[in-house]
Amino acid sequence: DVVMTQSPLSLPVTLGQPASFSCRSSQSLEHSDGNTYLNWFQQRPGQSPRRLIYRVSNRDSGVPDRFSGSGSGTDFTLKISRVEAEDVGIYYCMQATHWPLTFGGGTKVEIK
Amino acid sequence: EVQLVESGGGLVKPGGSLRLSCAASGFSFSSYSMNWVRQAPGKGLEWVSSISSGSGYIYYADSVKGRFTISRDNVKNLLYLQMNSLRAEDTAIYYCARDWGWFDYWGQGTLVTVSS
Repeated sequence: DVVMTQSPLSLPVTLGQPASFSCRSSQSLEHSDGNTYLNWFQQRPGQSPRRLIYRVSNRDSGVPDRFSGSGSGTDFTLKISRVEAEDVGIYYCMQATHWPLTFGGGTKVEIK
Repeated sequence: EVQLVESGGGLVKPGGSLRLSCAASGFSFSSYSMNWVRQAPGKGLEWVSSISSGSGYIYYADSVKGRFTISRDNVKNLLYLQMNSLRAEDTAIYYCARDWGWFDYWGQGTLVTVSS
């Protein structure tokens, strides 16, 4: 199974400052069709997960442009250019290239 | 507007059974693969099972294989998860989500509690 490792586990951030979190996979996530099925999700307290980024770097409709995704192969990053209060929550990466599908353990973002 | 609404959760004793449903609307249900994902209390997300649009391909996590069965009704726009031989460690919120490559829409979840 592909193991998804996220770091850090917890990230205290100052409002208005940038934040960056890492997601590493135990195998390359490049599919035979040429796509890399790496998604990022945000889960605010008490809410369902919401997809922010699909296929590494494509932002979902309605997602603020302060969120950006990058990476390739086994190394991926989600960045928030300027953290706002509504960004508090847990961020998960997920690979959908290999069965079984797997999620990272999550990075919890909280305000300092 | 795409909507996914789960139902069927509740309290069940270890060894018991439960069937979850996910009612889909706002999109062509029969054209999309579907998924179940769960989240134990205070824990992260765990993929449970996926089914292709026509039910020809089905996948399960090892943790539920042989106990859970995913199915769908493309006429009624419903996704199901039949859960048998339930264990305490199956206690979680169960979410349905659209498309196994994308997970672009999620329901609000239904809570399953396995306890004596």
